[in-house]
Amino acid sequence: EAGVAQSPRYKIIEKRQSVAFWCNPISGHATLYWYQQILGQGPKLLIQFQNNGVVDDSQLPKDRFSAERLKGVDSTLKIQPAKLEDSAVYLCASSKEWDNEQFFGPGTRLTVL
Amino acid sequence: KNEVEQSPQNLTAQEGEFITINCSYSVGISALHWLQQHPGGGIVSLFMLSSGKKKHGRLIATINIQEKHSSLHITASHPRDSAVYICAVRRGAQKLVFGQGTRLTINP
Repeated sequence: EAGVAQSPRYKIIEKRQSVAFWCNPISGHATLYWYQQILGQGPKLLIQFQNNGVVDDSQLPKDRFSAERLKGVDSTLKIQPAKLEDSAVYLCASSKEWDNEQFFGPGTRLTVL
Repeated sequence: KNEVEQSPQNLTAQEGEFITINCSYSVGISALHWLQQHPGGGIVSLFMLSSGKKKHGRLIATINIQEKHSSLHITASHPRDSAVYICAVRRGAQKLVFGQGTRLTINP
């Protein structure tokens, strides 16, 4: 069974630029999560999708971050414009349902200069 | 006070030692997860438990609901066990809340 795929693995941008991350969850997983992990901290949930609907985006900075999962499969997370404090690893995870074990992708390490 | 507290923050031990990592939480939960994160960022789910004890190979996870406490044990530790171990809790249908992690280093 293929795992959760993410791209790119690394991204370096300057502040005020835009960036997008892509995630392909495990086939058949209804729930998809985007997490932000700042160095030395545990992951923080940005947004949770159930199929193509948003379940929780309470910690998503909506003035600059957006995410979509249009067909209930792949998802993209965008930051526009980026700030220095957005430097972090962005993790995508998926699970069969919201209360099941989560499977994580390798993450995208973003550096904002 | 964080909702999920892990101790110790850092742990260094010799190969073969018995390892214990602790997780305390402040609210009632529906499930607790233990995760392993290796350098480079990849996270692997080790256990999901809501009561009692689970064992997988050299890893054992226990939870005491009344005391709001969980432990992760590693028997016969090995350098490849070196990683960050993260505890996360879920309250009902709410999102997972993660601890800050315990960095474990096993020296040969």
